[in-house]
Amino acid sequence: DQQVKQNSPSLSVQEGRISILNCDYTNSMFDYFLWYKKYPAEGPTFLISISSIKDKNEDGRFTVFLNKSAKHLSLHIVPSQPGDSAVYFCAAVSGTSYGKLTFGQGTILTVHP
Amino acid sequence: NAGVTQTPKFRVLKTGQSMTLLCAQDMNHEYMYWYRQDPGMGLRLIHYSVGEGTTAKGEVPDGYNVSRLKKQNFLLGLESAAPSQTSVYFCASSYDGRGREKLFFGSGTQLSVL
Repeated sequence: DQQVKQNSPSLSVQEGRISILNCDYTNSMFDYFLWYKKYPAEGPTFLISISSIKDKNEDGRFTVFLNKSAKHLSLHIVPSQPGDSAVYFCAAVSGTSYGKLTFGQGTILTVHP
Repeated sequence: NAGVTQTPKFRVLKTGQSMTLLCAQDMNHEYMYWYRQDPGMGLRLIHYSVGEGTTAKGEVPDGYNVSRLKKQNFLLGLESAAPSQTSVYFCASSYDGRGREKLFFGSGTQLSVL
């Protein structure tokens, strides 16, 4: 039972354009969401997060949007750069699971120069 | 500042062999985690620890054991390796165990069980 789903295994965009990575969840108890980025042969690194009391959080070129009614979140990268090419994981946690993140399958983003 | 260090980086085992993966963190974090990453499955929590001397089961604990004898170290053991345990293993740590603070991950251990 995949509670957090990233239905697009891969995404390819041109440098300078917008990248939109999507994530859906089924557990209504999730109240905090995070995005991690992973380069080959490295561990995931934290990118940005959002609480369920918000619908948007920005950090530079990265913006995460949360639609609670649709149980959907998305990560926007504007403008995309070749260095953004990586695997992106969304993750979710609920107040009752005390630190146990549930991760999506990941989306491979490729930004072409 | 090394962060989270995992050893070894690569290992090949035969079915039935045992091994221990070591994770060390130098950030004085209370919480430590072991995840495995498989194609199409994302990262799944194996075991975690909320402090020195404590361990708890995660989502996929079967076939693994863990120990946290020292605050900075978290060991993952495979007593009798199976091909299904072929995976990439990541250790992580955090100061706050509520999950709202970011996890710091090691660079991973690629394990193949033949």
